[in-house]
Parts: sequence; structure tokens; C-alpha cells
Amino acid sequence: EIVLTQSPATLSLSPGDRATVSCRASQSVSNYLAWYQQRPGQAPRLLIYDASNRATGVPARFSGSGSGTDFTLTISSLEPEDFAVYYCQQRTNWEWTFGQGTKVEIK
Amino acid sequence: QVQLVQSGTEVKKPGASVMVSCKASGYTFTRYAIHWLRQAPGQGPEWMGYINGGDGKTKYSQKFQGRFTITRDTSATTSYMELTSLTSEDTAVYFCVRVLYWFDPWGQGTLVTVSS
Repeated sequence: EIVLTQSPATLSLSPGDRATVSCRASQSVSNYLAWYQQRPGQAPRLLIYDASNRATGVPARFSGSGSGTDFTLTISSLEPEDFAVYYCQQRTNWEWTFGQGTKVEIK
Repeated sequence: QVQLVQSGTEVKKPGASVMVSCKASGYTFTRYAIHWLRQAPGQGPEWMGYINGGDGKTKYSQKFQGRFTITRDTSATTSYMELTSLTSEDTAVYFCVRVLYWFDPWGQGTLVTVSS
């Protein structure tokens, strides 16, 4: 099973700050990686797919990069609604796994 | 708009079974798969299995093989998941999700609590 390791576990930032979340895969997943946002009490929401493509309706302040085993989600300037938990997820070899999550909290 | 609406909260005793439904609307049901995942408190989502909306083919995570079944009713555009032999470790929120390549959108989630 491909293991995804996210860092950091928690990011304490202020509105307007830049947020950077990392995801490392235990083996190459090519660009088959997505990012999801989960607010408290809600289901996850697709933000980024194929490592760098924004899903429909996702603001331009969200961007993704990387390929192979190392990926990054960047939020250029945090808005109040962006404080949430973010998960990376891969799909390869008929296997779907998620990272353990990164909580972006208000400092 | 595309929407997945799940059945309500369940409370079960250890050893029992639970069935959760997922009603899809706003798209052609047979063109997509429905995946089922669960999320224990404070944890990331965990993939459990999927069913093709068209041919009904299923695939399950080895972790749940033998006690987890996904079915679908194309006329009702609804998928069902059943999990048997419940233990306290099955307490989680269960989600259905439409998938072509990525998980989008998700149902609202169904809380299943297993407690004696």
C-alpha cells in the first residue's frame, strides 16, 4: 500500500499569510494526486486534482505542484474560510489512500 | 447540480450489521462509480470499496473483505453499503462519493456508532 505522509501536522497562521502543506508518497504516484479541504462537520471537498489542476469553483489562491513522490499545496493568502484540515490523496494501481491531514489553524 | 444524499445516523450493538444508502441525482448514474469511505474521529478518510454504476462490478479493500458489501439499484439511482459483525472500531462517519477519476462530490456522511 502506498503511504502518504503530510507535513506539518498543524500550521498556525494568520489571515493573509501564505500556507504551504507538503505530501510525500512512499513510492511514485506520477501526478495522480489530489488535495481536499475539510471544514468541521462537513465532508471533504476536492480542491486540486492531477497534482496541479484546480477543481471547478476553487479560488485561484489555491495551487498545487509536484510529481513522483513530493507534492505541495499552497494557499497564497489565507482567507477566514480557509482555516480547515487538508488531505492529500493518491490513486494508483486500483488503490486509493489518503494522508493523515494537516490542520491549518488561526494563530 | 450533482448531489449525493445519505441515510441518517445509526446506532448499533457489537455484532450487528448496518446498511447505509446513498441517493444520487443530477448526473447519469451509470456513467460513474460510487466509492465508499469512512472516517474515524480525528483520522483521515479510509477507502473501503467501490461499485461501478453501469455494470455493477465491485472492488473492496482487503481490510473489509468478507464483511462489507456494496450494491446499487440503477432504477433508484441509489447505492447501498452493508457492514456486518460490527465492533467499536467501526464507529465512524461513512461517506459515499461519486468518482470518475477523483472523489467529487461527497455525500454528507452518515454517523455509525457501535456501542453496547
